[in-house]
Amino acid sequence: KAGVTQTPRYLIKTRGQQVTLSCSPISGHRSVSWYQQTPGQGLQFLFEYFSETQRNKGNFPGRFSGRQFSNSRSEMNVSTLELGDSALYLCASSSGAVNEQFFGPGTRLTVL
Amino acid sequence: GQQLNQSPQSMFIQEGEDVSMNCTSSSIFNTWLWYKQEPGEGPVLLIALYKAGELTSNGRLTAQFGITRKDSFLNISASIPSDVGIYFCAGQLPGNQFYFGTGTSLTVIP
Repeated sequence: KAGVTQTPRYLIKTRGQQVTLSCSPISGHRSVSWYQQTPGQGLQFLFEYFSETQRNKGNFPGRFSGRQFSNSRSEMNVSTLELGDSALYLCASSSGAVNEQFFGPGTRLTVL
Repeated sequence: GQQLNQSPQSMFIQEGEDVSMNCTSSSIFNTWLWYKQEPGEGPVLLIALYKAGELTSNGRLTAQFGITRKDSFLNISASIPSDVGIYFCAGQLPGNQFYFGTGTSLTVIP
């Protein structure tokens, strides 16, 4: 079974731009969660989607948004990028029935 | 948000030694997960725990779900150089959201 895939793996943007990251979960998994990982803050929960609906949301500003498609693939969008948005963005999938999350390799976003 | 206190923050050990790390919380969790992350990669799930008191092994790794449901520990026996990485605990509250510890950085000296 293929694991969680994320594209792109690396991204460089400048302040004010917007970015879209993509995540394809493990086949059959309907839940996708997004996390921001930085050295100072660790892993911070952004949001979770299940069957195309946002089920949980972390404490991030509205510039961070996401969506999930009918095939369970998910995208995350960050608008008006700030320097502090530089981080590793991780997505994790789970079946929704079993409480185990499996992570993708992440997208390393650098904002200049 | 929920706070998971993970300790120690870092460990430097000799190859062959045993390692122990733990996570504590003020909240009661339904599930505890332990992950390992290597540079440039996403966290990899090592062990999942679902019941208070549960003790689960995965090779040289052993983890326990605390009786109070507010803590968990991970032990690594007979460490080897490839055990190097950052280990994270994660607790799940009802409603599916996971909260992560701040990580334990493990260095194994050959």
